[in-house]
Amino acid sequence: DAKTTQPTSMDCAEGRAANLPCNHSTISGNEYVYWYRQIHSQGPQYIIHGLKNNETNEMASLIITEDRKSSTLILPHATLRDTAVYYCIVRVVYGQNFVFGPGTRLSVLP
Amino acid sequence: GAGVSQSPRYKVTKRGQDVALRCDPISGHVSLYWYRQALGQGPEFLTYFNYEAQQDKSGLPNDRFSAERPEGSISTLTIQRTEQRDSAMYRCASSSTGTGVGPQHFGDGTRLSIL
Repeated sequence: DAKTTQPTSMDCAEGRAANLPCNHSTISGNEYVYWYRQIHSQGPQYIIHGLKNNETNEMASLIITEDRKSSTLILPHATLRDTAVYYCIVRVVYGQNFVFGPGTRLSVLP
Repeated sequence: GAGVSQSPRYKVTKRGQDVALRCDPISGHVSLYWYRQALGQGPEFLTYFNYEAQQDKSGLPNDRFSAERPEGSISTLTIQRTEQRDSAMYRCASSSTGTGVGPQHFGDGTRLSIL
């Protein structure tokens, strides 16, 4: 699976949009982009995934560049409860295990 | 149940003892995965099952680690002759599809401490 690069940490003001970038310059055509987050010691929580089109669900939006070499996870109105480590993962279609990197530690500040 | 359930939540044991960690996946989920997570790091893949068949065990660190899912539902991860380096959070995840792009849903894990 392609390697991803994320900033180590980010801050965001409560109520503002949080934009978390991810670089995956070696992504191949059959690899999806997934986002998970982990709050404290809880298990990773699935957020969203996509192949090449932008995706939106009740939690977040995923914007994938046209060349698919990078993506951005957008939390439209960050709350304190969104403070977590966010993982960007690429995985082949029909792949199985996820390979987690160190992720981005997002701190939402009051 | 509503989510992936793991037991026990905490396990403390002496070095050399065997431990068995249990995972009860979301009802009806085909695939079940085991991961290990060290403090401050992301989860690391250990093994996974489709139904009762163990499809990949390439992540198991050595032959002291084994896993089974005999009836295609509940799974047990067993560590024999535990060592201090086995101390970690062990996480289980399940997915509704055996192949494809479906997400994995994680439990809250078992924290294993080897004294």
